[in-house]
Amino acid sequence: KAGVTQTPRYLIKTRGQQVTLSCSPISGHRSVSWYQQTPGQGLQFLFEYFSETQRNKGNFPGRFSGRQFSNSRSEMNVSTLELGDSALYLCASSLVGTGVNEQFFGPGTRLTVL
Amino acid sequence: QQQVKQSPQSLIVQKGGIPIINCAYENTAFDYFPWYQQFPGKGPALLIAIRPDVSEKKEGRFTISFNKSAKQFSLHIMDSQPGDSATYFCAAVSNRDDKIIFGKGTRLHILP
Repeated sequence: KAGVTQTPRYLIKTRGQQVTLSCSPISGHRSVSWYQQTPGQGLQFLFEYFSETQRNKGNFPGRFSGRQFSNSRSEMNVSTLELGDSALYLCASSLVGTGVNEQFFGPGTRLTVL
Repeated sequence: QQQVKQSPQSLIVQKGGIPIINCAYENTAFDYFPWYQQFPGKGPALLIAIRPDVSEKKEGRFTISFNKSAKQFSLHIMDSQPGDSATYFCAAVSNRDDKIIFGKGTRLHILP
């Protein structure tokens, strides 16, 4: 069974630009969650999508948005990039949600904002 | 604000030693406590998890100890090996709210 895939793996952008990251969950998984990982803050929850609907949202500004398609693939968008957005963005999929169902993480997209 | 406090931030242990990583939580609504292991360049992977109705769970060389009254839980790695060198994250899950909160991670280095 193929794991969670994320594209691109690395991205360099400049302040003010916008970026779209993509996540393909494990086949059959309907829940996709996004996390921001930084050395200082650890793993911070961005949002979770289930059946094309945002079900949970973390404490991030509205510049961070996402969506999920009918095939469960998900995209995350960050507009008006700031230097502090430089981080590893991780996507995780699970059968149903973030609860006791195991979350499987992708390798992440390393975003650098210059 | 819901928080999970993890310590230490980093840990160096001799091969064969028993590293211990501690986590504490505040919200009693949490009902599932997983630990994740992350190697450089990889996403976190579930290592072991425990529910609050048991005080200890072992899987191979990894053990979780859980103290419900103190709202604390810890990961012990028996007979640690250099291949265990990784970043470890504890987490607390609320199934009622379908939310997961992660600790800030512990960078573990096992000396050969």
